[in-house]
Amino acid sequence: AQSVTQLGSHVSVSEGALVLLRCNYSSSVPPYLFWYVQYPNQGLQLLLKYTSAATLVKGINGFEAEFKKSETSFHLTKPSAHMSDAAEYFCAVRRGDYKLSFGAGTTVTVRA
Amino acid sequence: GAVVSQHPSRVICKSGTSVKIECRSLDFQATTMFWYRQFPKQSLMLMATSNEGSKATYEQGVEKDKFLINHASLTLSTLTVTSAHPEDSSFYICSARLAGDLDTQYFGPGTRLTVL
Repeated sequence: AQSVTQLGSHVSVSEGALVLLRCNYSSSVPPYLFWYVQYPNQGLQLLLKYTSAATLVKGINGFEAEFKKSETSFHLTKPSAHMSDAAEYFCAVRRGDYKLSFGAGTTVTVRA
Repeated sequence: GAVVSQHPSRVICKSGTSVKIECRSLDFQATTMFWYRQFPKQSLMLMATSNEGSKATYEQGVEKDKFLINHASLTLSTLTVTSAHPEDSSFYICSARLAGDLDTQYFGPGTRLTVL
Protein backbone atom coordinates (compact mmCIF):
# COMPACT_ATOMS: atom_id res chain seq x y z
CA ALA A 1 0.00 0.00 0.00
CA GLN A 2 1.11 3.52 -0.70
CA SER A 3 1.09 6.27 1.93
CA VAL A 4 2.74 9.57 2.77
CA THR A 5 3.68 11.22 6.05
CA GLN A 6 4.08 14.94 6.39
CA LEU A 7 6.45 16.00 9.15
CA GLY A 8 5.29 19.08 10.95
CA SER A 9 1.69 20.18 11.02
CA HIS A 10 2.64 23.84 11.10
CA VAL A 11 5.53 25.81 9.66
CA SER A 12 6.13 29.49 10.27
CA VAL A 13 8.60 31.41 8.12
CA SER A 14 9.60 35.00 7.65
CA GLU A 15 8.86 36.71 4.38
CA GLY A 16 11.85 36.16 2.10
CA ALA A 17 13.07 33.08 3.98
CA LEU A 18 13.30 29.53 2.71
CA VAL A 19 10.17 27.41 2.86
CA LEU A 20 10.77 23.71 3.49
CA LEU A 21 7.92 21.25 3.85
CA ARG A 22 8.73 17.63 4.51
CA CYS A 23 7.05 14.59 3.07
CA ASN A 24 8.13 10.96 3.32
CA TYR A 25 6.51 8.19 1.37
CA SER A 26 6.00 4.48 1.70
CA SER A 27 5.47 2.48 -1.44
CA SER A 28 6.23 -0.99 -2.66
CA VAL A 29 6.39 0.25 -6.24
CA PRO A 30 7.95 3.36 -7.79
CA PRO A 31 5.73 6.12 -6.47
CA TYR A 32 3.92 8.91 -8.20
CA LEU A 33 3.97 11.86 -5.80
CA PHE A 34 2.15 15.17 -5.68
CA TRP A 35 2.08 18.41 -3.76
CA TYR A 36 -1.16 20.37 -3.51
CA VAL A 37 -1.92 23.75 -1.97
CA GLN A 38 -5.24 24.75 -0.39
CA TYR A 39 -6.01 28.39 0.24
CA PRO A 40 -8.77 29.25 2.73
CA ASN A 41 -12.21 28.31 1.49
CA GLN A 42 -10.84 27.07 -1.81
CA GLY A 43 -10.24 23.73 -3.43
CA LEU A 44 -6.88 22.05 -3.77
CA GLN A 45 -4.55 23.24 -6.50
CA LEU A 46 -1.76 21.11 -7.92
CA LEU A 47 1.68 22.58 -7.28
CA LEU A 48 3.76 19.86 -8.89
CA LYS A 49 4.00 16.14 -9.46
CA TYR A 50 6.70 13.49 -9.74
CA THR A 51 6.07 10.76 -12.25
CA SER A 52 9.42 8.95 -12.35
CA ALA A 53 11.12 11.34 -14.76
CA ALA A 54 13.51 14.01 -13.42
CA THR A 55 14.07 13.80 -9.67
CA LEU A 56 13.94 17.58 -9.28
CA VAL A 57 10.49 18.78 -10.15
CA LYS A 58 9.62 22.41 -10.67
CA GLY A 59 6.11 23.60 -10.03
CA ILE A 60 4.06 26.71 -10.00
CA ASN A 61 4.60 29.80 -7.84
CA GLY A 62 8.34 29.14 -7.50
CA PHE A 63 8.01 25.83 -5.67
CA GLU A 64 10.07 22.77 -6.40
CA ALA A 65 10.47 19.32 -4.90
CA GLU A 66 13.19 16.72 -5.02
CA PHE A 67 12.53 13.01 -5.11
CA LYS A 68 15.11 11.08 -3.06
CA LYS A 69 14.65 7.36 -3.23
CA SER A 70 17.37 6.63 -0.67
CA GLU A 71 15.56 8.78 1.86
CA THR A 72 12.02 7.96 0.64
CA SER A 73 11.39 11.68 0.65
CA PHE A 74 9.73 14.27 -1.54
CA HIS A 75 10.28 17.56 0.27
CA LEU A 76 8.84 20.80 -1.08
CA THR A 77 10.89 24.00 -1.10
CA LYS A 78 10.67 27.60 -2.14
CA PRO A 79 13.74 29.82 -1.83
CA SER A 80 11.94 32.96 -0.76
CA ALA A 81 8.57 32.98 0.98
CA HIS A 82 5.91 35.47 0.03
CA MET A 83 2.91 36.48 2.09
CA SER A 84 0.69 34.85 -0.53
CA ASP A 85 2.27 31.46 0.25
CA ALA A 86 0.31 31.25 3.49
CA ALA A 87 -1.90 28.22 2.98
CA GLU A 88 -2.33 24.52 3.72
CA TYR A 89 -0.04 22.17 1.81
CA PHE A 90 -0.72 18.51 1.17
CA CYS A 91 1.58 15.79 -0.05
CA ALA A 92 -0.10 12.89 -1.84
CA VAL A 93 0.81 9.58 -3.43
CA ARG A 94 -0.98 7.74 -6.18
CA ARG A 95 -2.37 4.40 -5.11
CA GLY A 96 -2.32 1.33 -7.27
CA ASP A 97 -5.90 2.03 -8.32
CA TYR A 98 -4.95 5.54 -9.53
CA LYS A 99 -6.60 7.22 -6.56
CA LEU A 100 -4.79 9.58 -4.22
CA SER A 101 -3.77 9.09 -0.62
CA PHE A 102 -3.06 12.37 1.17
CA GLY A 103 -0.84 13.34 4.05
CA ALA A 104 -2.21 15.17 7.06
CA GLY A 105 -1.22 18.56 5.69
CA THR A 106 1.09 21.36 6.79
CA THR A 107 -0.11 24.85 7.53
CA VAL A 108 2.28 27.56 6.43
CA THR A 109 2.19 31.00 7.97
CA VAL A 110 4.39 33.80 6.69
CA ARG A 111 5.56 36.54 9.03
CA ALA A 112 6.10 40.03 7.70
CA GLY B 1 -7.97 25.74 -16.86
CA ALA B 2 -10.35 23.07 -15.67
CA VAL B 3 -12.81 24.37 -13.11
CA VAL B 4 -14.88 22.39 -10.68
CA SER B 5 -17.67 23.98 -8.70
CA GLN B 6 -19.60 22.80 -5.68
CA HIS B 7 -22.97 23.87 -4.43
CA PRO B 8 -23.78 24.86 -1.81
CA SER B 9 -20.60 26.19 -0.26
CA ARG B 10 -22.16 26.02 3.19
CA VAL B 11 -25.20 24.25 4.53
CA ILE B 12 -26.71 23.94 7.97
CA CYS B 13 -29.37 21.34 8.56
CA LYS B 14 -31.25 19.69 11.39
CA SER B 15 -30.44 16.22 12.58
CA GLY B 16 -32.40 13.60 10.68
CA THR B 17 -32.74 15.52 7.46
CA SER B 18 -30.99 14.81 4.16
CA VAL B 19 -28.64 17.14 2.35
CA LYS B 20 -27.58 17.09 -1.29
CA ILE B 21 -24.27 18.49 -2.46
CA GLU B 22 -23.56 19.06 -6.15
CA CYS B 23 -20.22 18.84 -7.90
CA ARG B 24 -19.92 20.18 -11.45
CA SER B 25 -17.12 20.26 -13.95
CA LEU B 26 -17.69 23.57 -15.70
CA ASP B 27 -15.54 23.38 -18.80
CA PHE B 28 -14.70 19.74 -19.29
CA GLN B 29 -16.26 16.32 -19.19
CA ALA B 30 -15.33 14.28 -16.17
CA THR B 31 -15.62 10.56 -16.55
CA THR B 32 -14.63 10.09 -12.94
CA MET B 33 -15.39 12.16 -9.87
CA PHE B 34 -14.19 11.67 -6.34
CA TRP B 35 -15.72 12.63 -3.01
CA TYR B 36 -13.53 13.41 -0.03
CA ARG B 37 -14.21 14.31 3.56
CA GLN B 38 -11.93 16.60 5.52
CA PHE B 39 -12.08 17.06 9.28
CA PRO B 40 -10.58 20.19 10.83
CA LYS B 41 -6.80 20.16 10.75
CA GLN B 42 -6.83 16.74 9.15
CA SER B 43 -6.20 15.25 5.78
CA LEU B 44 -8.60 14.53 2.97
CA MET B 45 -10.13 11.08 3.25
CA LEU B 46 -11.44 9.54 0.08
CA MET B 47 -15.03 8.46 0.55
CA ALA B 48 -16.02 7.19 -2.86
CA THR B 49 -15.35 7.22 -6.55
CA SER B 50 -18.10 7.76 -9.07
CA ASN B 51 -17.99 6.99 -12.75
CA GLU B 52 -20.56 8.41 -15.10
CA GLY B 53 -23.41 6.02 -15.68
CA SER B 54 -22.34 3.40 -13.17
CA LYS B 55 -22.55 2.75 -9.46
CA ALA B 56 -20.12 4.47 -7.16
CA THR B 57 -17.39 2.51 -5.43
CA TYR B 58 -16.99 3.26 -1.76
CA GLU B 59 -13.90 3.14 0.39
CA GLN B 60 -13.80 0.70 3.24
CA GLY B 61 -15.78 1.89 6.21
CA VAL B 62 -17.94 4.37 4.29
CA GLU B 63 -21.66 3.64 4.56
CA LYS B 64 -23.19 3.37 1.12
CA ASP B 65 -26.72 3.96 2.36
CA LYS B 66 -25.63 6.97 4.34
CA PHE B 67 -23.73 8.72 1.57
CA LEU B 68 -25.58 8.32 -1.70
CA ILE B 69 -23.65 9.24 -4.81
CA ASN B 70 -25.09 9.79 -8.25
CA HIS B 71 -23.08 10.59 -11.38
CA ALA B 72 -25.80 11.05 -13.94
CA SER B 73 -23.85 13.05 -16.50
CA LEU B 74 -20.28 13.79 -17.49
CA THR B 75 -20.43 17.14 -15.72
CA LEU B 76 -22.43 16.46 -12.57
CA SER B 77 -22.06 14.26 -9.53
CA THR B 78 -24.13 14.57 -6.38
CA LEU B 79 -23.54 13.44 -2.82
CA THR B 80 -26.56 13.06 -0.59
CA VAL B 81 -26.02 12.72 3.13
CA THR B 82 -29.09 10.88 4.33
CA SER B 83 -30.52 11.21 7.82
CA ALA B 84 -27.68 13.50 8.79
CA HIS B 85 -26.38 13.56 12.34
CA PRO B 86 -23.96 15.93 14.07
CA GLU B 87 -21.07 13.53 13.51
CA ASP B 88 -21.58 13.98 9.76
CA SER B 89 -20.60 17.62 10.10
CA SER B 90 -17.50 18.08 8.01
CA PHE B 91 -15.97 19.67 4.94
CA TYR B 92 -16.83 17.71 1.81
CA ILE B 93 -14.67 18.15 -1.26
CA CYS B 94 -15.15 16.74 -4.73
CA SER B 95 -12.69 16.38 -7.55
CA ALA B 96 -12.99 15.47 -11.21
CA ARG B 97 -10.70 13.68 -13.59
CA LEU B 98 -10.45 13.57 -17.36
CA ALA B 99 -10.51 10.25 -19.13
CA GLY B 100 -7.09 10.66 -20.68
CA ASP B 101 -5.19 11.89 -17.63
CA LEU B 102 -5.31 9.55 -14.67
CA ASP B 103 -2.84 11.59 -12.66
CA THR B 104 -4.64 14.92 -12.56
CA GLN B 105 -7.62 15.69 -10.35
CA TYR B 106 -9.31 19.08 -10.39
CA PHE B 107 -10.76 19.96 -7.01
CA GLY B 108 -13.87 21.85 -6.10
CA PRO B 109 -13.87 24.52 -3.37
CA GLY B 110 -15.62 22.30 -0.86
CA THR B 111 -18.90 22.32 1.04
CA ARG B 112 -19.07 22.94 4.77
CA LEU B 113 -21.86 20.84 6.29
CA THR B 114 -23.04 21.56 9.81
CA VAL B 115 -25.67 19.29 11.33
CA LEU B 116 -27.42 20.66 14.39
